[in-house]
Amino acid sequence: QVQLQQSGPGLVKPSQTLSLTCAISGDSVSSTSAGWNWIRQSPSRGLEWLGRTYYRSKWYIEYAVSVRSRITINPDTSKNQFSLQLNSVTPEDTALYYCGRDLGAAVDYWGQGTLVTVSS
Amino acid sequence: QSALTQPASVSGSPGQSITISCTGTSGDVGAYDYVSWYQLHPGKAPKLMIYWVTNRPSGVPDRFSASKSGNTASLTISGLQTEDEADYYCSSYTTSGTVVFGGGTKLTVL
Repeated sequence: QVQLQQSGPGLVKPSQTLSLTCAISGDSVSSTSAGWNWIRQSPSRGLEWLGRTYYRSKWYIEYAVSVRSRITINPDTSKNQFSLQLNSVTPEDTALYYCGRDLGAAVDYWGQGTLVTVSS
Repeated sequence: QSALTQPASVSGSPGQSITISCTGTSGDVGAYDYVSWYQLHPGKAPKLMIYWVTNRPSGVPDRFSASKSGNTASLTISGLQTEDEADYYCSSYTTSGTVVFGGGTKLTVL
């Protein structure tokens, strides 16, 4: 059974960096069939895909155009986890953030969600 | 990448059928059979209901079915039940290698 455990602060100040980690159990971040995603949910935007990383003989990372200039997703094979960093946050980045595993672009396992509020 | 277009809301009575549309472009929905549907209940993580246009994960009732024609995908729920009341989102892989979600549809079971 795949489990994804998210960790990271729930409050970030404007202009600072949002950092979250997703620890994987029951699968491997280096899986050659899965992808590892970050997705957020807010009342104003609904579900918004932010990006993902996956391994297919080499590492690939893809980002949504909307956040491409501010986002970094990194796999960590030593800890079997992956992370999200979103720079220069504003109140518009306030959302419920999820990590998720995808098989063929369908996210079948989700983390528990982390509510991140951007406020001073 | 623009969000896929879904109706903001749909409604139906218990036992009836409803269909939610999801319209994209030749660069996403029309390009691949990588369309998924998710159910969102308040306070819970999204649940995958349909993957690869028509496939149901184990445990999803066969009342849920889906299809695609051209740039439009559709989710049909037959024999509506009160527990089906939720938000539903479609998503698609894109030719840019990204994923795009729809704007979401609120299903009300009257």
